[in-house]
Amino acid sequence: AQSVTQLGSHVSVSEGALVLLRCNYSSSVPPYLFWYVQYPNQGLQLLLKYTSAATLVKGINGFEAEFKKSETSFHLTKPSAHMSDAAEYFCAVSERNTDKLIFGTGTRLQVFP
Amino acid sequence: NAGVTQTPKFRVLKTGQSMTLLCAQDMNHEYMYWYRQDPGMGLRLIHYSVGEGTTAKGEVPDGYNVSRLKKQNFLLGLESAAPSQTSVYFCASSYPAGIYEQYFGPGTRLTVT
Repeated sequence: AQSVTQLGSHVSVSEGALVLLRCNYSSSVPPYLFWYVQYPNQGLQLLLKYTSAATLVKGINGFEAEFKKSETSFHLTKPSAHMSDAAEYFCAVSERNTDKLIFGTGTRLQVFP
Repeated sequence: NAGVTQTPKFRVLKTGQSMTLLCAQDMNHEYMYWYRQDPGMGLRLIHYSVGEGTTAKGEVPDGYNVSRLKKQNFLLGLESAAPSQTSVYFCASSYPAGIYEQYFGPGTRLTVT
């Protein structure tokens, strides 16, 4: 069965530092991949998605992710963290012929001044 | 557009009581989903629907029932609440097929005492 692993339940960075949130998936066929962000007491909103067009995907708020088939990874990065980036981030995968998303367990990002 | 809305936002139940959570979407989406979110476990799919009048079980369906009588509404029922059902519940909707992202509601925080 499809699964998603997010390494690190908590990540802390200083404002202005690089943000790197890790996501690995298990699938023999490249799936569709998503990153969602959840701000406190809110629902999830889409940051970006990979649907096999380009391997480097740019999203909102300066985030981007690179699909690496050889590593079965879809890590999320942002060159310079901002205080407003503090939130929980979820990686999710959808197989091409299914109706469902499988979510990782989430990574909480803290940004220190 | 209101997007995806959920009512109520908060609820406290006693063990054994019943309740219904309402999800409504105004994007004409075919697919709708109910998730629960618990600390350290990400989002887990309870039930979902691929169209009006259809429902299917997700990963954690026990203790819940759903109905999709109208395309825009998806109801989640708890017939006899248990403390293990204390959670935050999210509804989502999407166009068909895994390539499309899901749009999430703001969530309902349910406590069962």
